[in-house]
Amino acid sequence: DAKTTQPPSMDCAEGRAANLPCNHSTISGNEYVYWYRQIHSQGPQYIIHGLKNNETNEMASLIITEDRKSSTLILPHATLRDTAVYYCIVRAYYGQNFVFGPGTRLSVLP
Amino acid sequence: DTGVSQDPRHKITKRGQNVTFRCDPISEHNRLYWYRQTLGQGPEFLTYFQNEAQLEKSRLLSDRFSAERPKGSFSTLEIQRTEQGDSAMYLCASSLVGTLNTGELFFGEGSRLTVL
Repeated sequence: DAKTTQPPSMDCAEGRAANLPCNHSTISGNEYVYWYRQIHSQGPQYIIHGLKNNETNEMASLIITEDRKSSTLILPHATLRDTAVYYCIVRAYYGQNFVFGPGTRLSVLP
Repeated sequence: DTGVSQDPRHKITKRGQNVTFRCDPISEHNRLYWYRQTLGQGPEFLTYFQNEAQLEKSRLLSDRFSAERPKGSFSTLEIQRTEQGDSAMYLCASSLVGTLNTGELFFGEGSRLTVL
């Protein structure tokens, strides 16, 4: 079973920041937080991952709370093309597999 | 294109027939995963390989399913005596696991199976 909890759906206005929360209260010290997204009819796409420090790349920012029990994925300026299902996953660095939950369906509205 | 490729992209078959899917991972990647996804659900893990060794299989992988990665490069997933419940998207992913790599997955576009 997935070790994360995410809201099933969210809306965001185009051009605004999209903040997607994830709870992972049972995360272990050696587990990373990974985010993927899946646009309709495509395979999931890697976005970002982190251990305890906040991370930023060209796609998004990842904010992890100090106790590591939750995190937020931030898309700073959401576009219509960001409409997708976003998955938050916790996994040990050399873990065997990624366990996907149902994710959050983000709808970016014009 | 040097990403993960899957073939065929779509397969329609009659119940009871056998089907085989092929996955070509990113060339230097040592891990290869198979997932299954049904409508409205997240991908479900089926099995994974480290090089040519199959290291883990999900309980979802019934006896009718078999996966191989004979030379540690491409992989095949065969479903024998297909059932309507096998209708799903079959996703392949690869990763490079090593000291300097984070092991994130790179997915193909999937092979959609419809069993009539």
